[in-house]
Amino acid sequence: NAGVIQTPRHKVTGKGQEATLWCEPISGHSAVFWYRQTIVQGLEFLTYFRNQAPIDDSGMPKERFSAQMPNQSHSTLKIQSTQPQDSAVYLCASSPGTGGTEVFFGKGTRLTVV
Amino acid sequence: GEQVEQLPSILRVQEGSSASINCTYENSASNYFPWYKQEPGENPKLIIDIRSNMERKQTQGLIVLLDKKAKRFSLHITDTQPGDSAMYFCAASANSGTYQRFGTGTKLQVVP
Repeated sequence: NAGVIQTPRHKVTGKGQEATLWCEPISGHSAVFWYRQTIVQGLEFLTYFRNQAPIDDSGMPKERFSAQMPNQSHSTLKIQSTQPQDSAVYLCASSPGTGGTEVFFGKGTRLTVV
Repeated sequence: GEQVEQLPSILRVQEGSSASINCTYENSASNYFPWYKQEPGENPKLIIDIRSNMERKQTQGLIVLLDKKAKRFSLHITDTQPGDSAMYFCAASANSGTYQRFGTGTKLQVVP
């Protein structure tokens, strides 16, 4: 079990460019979460899927962020027209269920917008 | 009304002493309270958790306490060692198919 796999580990984009982050959850896990980690905000919820269906995207900045889960083995987080304030570590996590179970995090993608 | 507050943000303790981190939550439906440890460059990993049917849980030098009435829970690390230095996050969630809401983290530094 390789755990949750996130690629790339580091990404540098120019302001206004698009960034796509990839996540492969642990096989058999039904829930996939995206969080953003910054020093100031800590672990900030963005969105999550259950059985590939989007359930809650209340943490997503609506205009430029989107997430998809086209199949059970991967999810993507896309940020259009990146801004310097989008610089953060984006963490994907998966769990066997939602709510009262441990979530397993990937190592994250460090996005730097210059 | 679903925030999780965590204090302190930075905690510096002497090796061998105890460290305590406190969290409060707002959602009365919360019934699962995990704690995660994140070492530099690594992903957060679960170290201990407690459910609402318990008030106290202990494992390997870690104690968690839960006060449902006050909507407060805490992590206590006894006999701290340099390897305990890390970021610690508390979280809260409900069984009703929601996500875990995290506190803003505590940076624990154990000094010799």
